[in-house]
Amino acid sequence: SQQGEEDPQALSIQEGENATMNCSYKTSINNLQWYRQNSGRGLVHLILIRSNEREKHSGRLRVTLDTSKKSSSLLITASRAADTASYFCATEAVNDMRFGAGTRLTVKP
Amino acid sequence: EAQVTQNPRYLITVTGKKLTVTCSQNMNHEYMSWYRQDPGLGLRQIYYSMNVEVTDKGDVPEGYKVSRKEKRNFPLILESPSPNQTSLYFCASRQTSGSYEQYFGPGTRLTVT
Repeated sequence: SQQGEEDPQALSIQEGENATMNCSYKTSINNLQWYRQNSGRGLVHLILIRSNEREKHSGRLRVTLDTSKKSSSLLITASRAADTASYFCATEAVNDMRFGAGTRLTVKP
Repeated sequence: EAQVTQNPRYLITVTGKKLTVTCSQNMNHEYMSWYRQDPGLGLRQIYYSMNVEVTDKGDVPEGYKVSRKEKRNFPLILESPSPNQTSLYFCASRQTSGSYEQYFGPGTRLTVT
């Protein structure tokens, strides 16, 4: 069964705008990861945040984690057309990784 | 180049005809897993393996088999495929300590008629 649920399911923005995607989950986790998938291709790891961390940055990506609310957000700043993809959060407990259904991001040039 | 490879990439088959999808990784990862991806459902884990000869069921193991005889290979076997197994399949691998980043293969699109 799914653990993470992304919100929104789909997001359409203009190039240069920021994109925010949210992920909620149900049970305790060791870490939460965000992945990106271009249409029909394999997932590519973007960033991992551990359960004792609250915020992490990587380039134009910013991830936050609120374990009390069991939620995470992924912010992509200054978006580009090449950021168009589906984004998935994955929660990891012991030897158990669960993916959400994803957010489909479209960045219009 | 560090990678996970899957073969075939595309497969159309008929109900009941046994098939195997191969998966191989060159990163010496202990952990390997298989997922299926269906619209609106995200990725669901089929089976995973912590190391050679150690496999365990994921969320949707029915109708699938796996084996882990070598560290680098983790084939997915469908003994008697059915139309509800039409899906996009991904193999992934990672270390079991340190970074938990998973490396995914390019996917196998399977159609069972």
